[in-house]
Amino acid sequence: GAVVSQHPSWVICKSGTSVKIECRSLDFQATTMFWYRQFPKQSLMLMATSNEGSKATYEQGVEKDKFLINHASLTLSTLTVTSAHPEDSSFYICSASRGLTKNIQYFGAGTRLSVL
Amino acid sequence: AQKITQTQPGMFVQEKEAVTLDCTYDTSDQSYGLFWYKQPSSGEMIFLIYQGSYDEQNATEGRYSLNFQKARKSANLVISASQLGDSAMYFCAMREGRVTGGGNKLTFGTGTQLKVEL
Repeated sequence: GAVVSQHPSWVICKSGTSVKIECRSLDFQATTMFWYRQFPKQSLMLMATSNEGSKATYEQGVEKDKFLINHASLTLSTLTVTSAHPEDSSFYICSASRGLTKNIQYFGAGTRLSVL
Repeated sequence: AQKITQTQPGMFVQEKEAVTLDCTYDTSDQSYGLFWYKQPSSGEMIFLIYQGSYDEQNATEGRYSLNFQKARKSANLVISASQLGDSAMYFCAMREGRVTGGGNKLTFGTGTQLKVEL
């Protein structure tokens, strides 16, 4: 079964509104979670690394004020797309690592965001 | 230079046949890990197989095996006895450096779309 849960799976919002996406590790604690963005038929692009109890680390070119990340507990990270615009429409997917040996990242099911 | 290169945008294979999906990587680190993920049309990323840079044996997981050729910096995925449900996008990914406690960033290739035909 899924070890990482992501919610919602699909969201439509009006331009200018904010959208929050949740990512939960279900049966393990994740001090670090990752947020990716994927455009149609393209690869995953890492947006930021979410660290529990501290600020997220954003990749170059990602606006941290646009994409707010909060990792308030060892099982929950949230991504808030603030003042969303149509160009923010995309597939957002989170992941968390389980275990130390291989550090396999397990992914949520993703969130399709459509901004009208 | 691309860190992960997948040169096959699309592949076709007949049901029950084996198929190899290519992946080459570029890193100067001695310690690294290589991953393959499957992404069906639903979008979820499904972990398939892992190969550590110090692993001497090729990794295997059921019908999946990883042909690891370190000197050539290649980590090809072999799927045996293809099934219709194997039709999906397949991504090769790399973790550079040693494993850290919290987690390591992954770099993904551009993916290979596999279509299994009757």
